[in-house]
Amino acid sequence: EVQLLESGGGRVQPGGSLRLSCAASGFAFSNYAVSWVRQAPGQSPEWVSSISSGFTTYYPDSFRGRVTISRDNSRNTLYLQMDSLTAEDTAIYYCARNTPPLGTFDYWGQGTLVTVSS
Amino acid sequence: SAVTQPRSVSGSPGQSVTISCTGTSTALSGYNSVSWYQQHPDKAPKLIIYDVIKRPSGVPDRFSGSKSGDTASLTISGLQTEDEADYYCCSYAGYWVFGGGTKLTVL
Repeated sequence: EVQLLESGGGRVQPGGSLRLSCAASGFAFSNYAVSWVRQAPGQSPEWVSSISSGFTTYYPDSFRGRVTISRDNSRNTLYLQMDSLTAEDTAIYYCARNTPPLGTFDYWGQGTLVTVSS
Repeated sequence: SAVTQPRSVSGSPGQSVTISCTGTSTALSGYNSVSWYQQHPDKAPKLIIYDVIKRPSGVPDRFSGSKSGDTASLTISGLQTEDEADYYCCSYAGYWVFGGGTKLTVL
């Protein structure tokens, strides 16, 4: 069974940083692209970043330079480093697996809540 | 959002409903990477349709997808009460973009 378990969320002050983690199991993690997708309260999901099985990274313009995605295949873990956080970054952050080779998001974790507030 | 959905749709048990997803010419017409997600309250989105028409294993065949030009559609036939949820379309336009979401109410 494919499982994705996010951690690292919490409350952070504006301007602060946070590193999210996603532990994957139940599939050959190194063979898949994986992504971060966030969802602000009452809003639709928003793609944050993806990383291919070959470690190529992808960001929409709105996040490029502010977030960094990485993966550790030896630990079956995906990471998201977020810097210069603002209140608009308050959201549930989901880890998701991509359909091969870099398609849509077929499995999602339960999410981790990030709250940016003073 | 570059992709537009109706805010809400409704239907009675056993009926069929169709949710549309209309995008700019960049967002939808040139790609076959349209997917649909179902989201129940306080749950993660669940993939129900990908590549316009494909259903993941375990998704009932009551759910079907189609696309014509700039508009993709999700049809749910034989509505059941558990289908009441938010539905999001998602497309690739050089980046992944989600629609604004449609709340389905099963009356």
